[in-house]
Amino acid sequence: AAGVIQSPRHLIKEKRETATLKCYPIPRHDTVYWYQQGPGQDPQFLISFYEKMQSDKGSIPDRFSAQQFSDYHSELNMSSLELGDSALYFCASSSRTGRMNTEAFFGQGTRLTVV
Amino acid sequence: GNSVTQMEGPVTLSEEAFLTINCTYTATGYPSLFWYVQYPGEGLQLLLKATKADDKGSNKGFEATYRKETTSFHLEKGSVQVSDSAVYFCALLSSGSARQLTFGSGTQLTVLP
Repeated sequence: AAGVIQSPRHLIKEKRETATLKCYPIPRHDTVYWYQQGPGQDPQFLISFYEKMQSDKGSIPDRFSAQQFSDYHSELNMSSLELGDSALYFCASSSRTGRMNTEAFFGQGTRLTVV
Repeated sequence: GNSVTQMEGPVTLSEEAFLTINCTYTATGYPSLFWYVQYPGEGLQLLLKATKADDKGSNKGFEATYRKETTSFHLEKGSVQVSDSAVYFCALLSSGSARQLTFGSGTQLTVLP
């Protein structure tokens, strides 16, 4: 079965550079979530999209932005990178059915290292 | 707001021991509850879920029951294996307009042969 695809799997950037992370949700899933997981930390919610519109915003820095495109894939754009942005970035997708969301399925993550 | 409180780790057990990882939550409405597992160097994998009160989720010998009266979703396994060594995250998915997963802090489980 198709899963959530994230690219790239690994990314190394220098301070103050920009990075773009991509997420391709499971087909027919309409909701995408982005999470940041620092070393030894639990995943922290950044932002989510439902039907290409931002639906919720968490602890996403102003230097980051994201969008969901017409084909439902999403991109997380990160500018003026800082050493503290080094983390594993997960994308997850789910399908909304009435008032209930199905479970969220996660991609393998993109490991971003800022040097 | 929503929150998940999870038993602190790390937890170290011998093979075939009984496992319990406690999880309690605070949420409005009718959240769905999940346990995710993260093996070293890998992403989060859904282990089991429960979408309403008294539901029992089960998978690979793990079980958890959605207890609305105690707002709990404790993870249990009768006999752990070395391959169960991983980090376990309890999570809830809110039912309101702000739909996001809220995670517990994670519990590192190490099973010794």
